[in-house]
Amino acid sequence: EPEVTQTPSHQVTQMGQEVILRCVPISNHLYFYWYRQILGQKVEFLVSFYNNEISEKSEIFDDQFSVERPDGSNFTLKIRSTKLEDSAMYFCASRDRDNSPLHFGNGTRLTVT
Amino acid sequence: GQSLEQPSEVTAVEGAIVQINCTYQTSGFYGLSWYQQHDGGAPTFLSYNALDGLEETGRFSSFLSRSDSYGYLLLQELQMKDSASYFCAVMGGSYIPTFGRGTSLIVHP
Repeated sequence: EPEVTQTPSHQVTQMGQEVILRCVPISNHLYFYWYRQILGQKVEFLVSFYNNEISEKSEIFDDQFSVERPDGSNFTLKIRSTKLEDSAMYFCASRDRDNSPLHFGNGTRLTVT
Repeated sequence: GQSLEQPSEVTAVEGAIVQINCTYQTSGFYGLSWYQQHDGGAPTFLSYNALDGLEETGRFSSFLSRSDSYGYLLLQELQMKDSASYFCAVMGGSYIPTFGRGTSLIVHP
């Protein structure tokens, strides 16, 4: 069964550094998402992406965050200047239609020190 | 905005039936989904209700009452591997799922 893949599985960075989290969505999917989950808490929506542009974003997704689909397969989340509170599990998800189930990757655990 | 309420933890014994409730507040409504997450891994889709009533998928069933803004996930013939977190997620004013805080299900032998 096709799956969403994310790299790296774990990233440790110092406060103020830039990080790029990478995702390869399922190949025939058109809608892409980033969610994050702070340890033990709920899964929070960050941003959705469709037709090469952001379709919706939450209040968490401020100017420090950006997303890009640099080629036909990758979908990236960049955090320009990481803060301690950015430490979380970041999940990429995709789906083929805007009302079908989300398929999540295994996540990238980001630790900011 | 949207908000969801679900119990933080439920415990049950192997072979039993357990129900995880979810109430929601949202300005619009497209549907309610349920996802399972083991040990902080990838949430996986279990079930979806757009209309009132019961949807059954094997040992798992999900119910929705739109008039009560309420749904539940029913797990039958519990197995140890069902120990996980279960999230309800509402698609309110948009098709983007908003997740609840999750219910940790602990299954005892």
